[in-house]
Amino acid sequence: KQEVTQIPAALSVPEGENLVLNCSFTDSAIYNLQWFRQDPGKGLTSLLLIQSSQREQTSGRLNASLDKSSGRSTLYIAASQPGDSATYLCAVTRGTGGFKTIFGAGTRLFVKA
Amino acid sequence: EPEVTQTPSHQVTQMGQEVILRCVPISNHLYFYWYRQILGQKVEFLVSFYNNEISEKSEIFDDQFSVERPDGSNFTLKIRSTKLEDSAMYFCASSKPGTVNNEQFFGPGTRLTVL
Repeated sequence: KQEVTQIPAALSVPEGENLVLNCSFTDSAIYNLQWFRQDPGKGLTSLLLIQSSQREQTSGRLNASLDKSSGRSTLYIAASQPGDSATYLCAVTRGTGGFKTIFGAGTRLFVKA
Repeated sequence: EPEVTQTPSHQVTQMGQEVILRCVPISNHLYFYWYRQILGQKVEFLVSFYNNEISEKSEIFDDQFSVERPDGSNFTLKIRSTKLEDSAMYFCASSKPGTVNNEQFFGPGTRLTVL
């Protein structure tokens, strides 16, 4: 049974700092891994998707890496801004049979101005 | 930019009543999903749907739940006899396998409150 863990659960940093959010998963037989952002009371916004065959993806100040063999992914946020304050969710999708996606509990990020 | 839409944004119902949550996925997407998020907890997978049938479902998705694509645009989640513990945010998502490796796009959610 796939389990997804995110560390840390919460993080508070000053504006401008570079930071790393961690995600680990127990079953390496994944189809893809997706990072989302969730603002309080809102839906999920897709940030980056990494295919199972890829090692990393970049979008603007965000870089996500994937090490499938060790069951780990990291989300790197460069030069953090107060607008980055949100909960960041890691989600792993299994592709054998149909698609089933398991989410981590998220990292709640607060960037202080 | 195309987006997933959900109605209503908030649904209040009495325990034991049936509710139908509605979603309009992105028009050229082929896979559809329902998730729920109980307040303060993880987003939980309920079901995925492809080619007019359930593709995968979780242990949560029992006989109380059903999904349907009644026409070419809507995707619905029916909860037959609501319980207090069904109170949650319900998210619909859609994806198009084969493009950007099945990136899922989420709707804004329906907040279901069972009294």
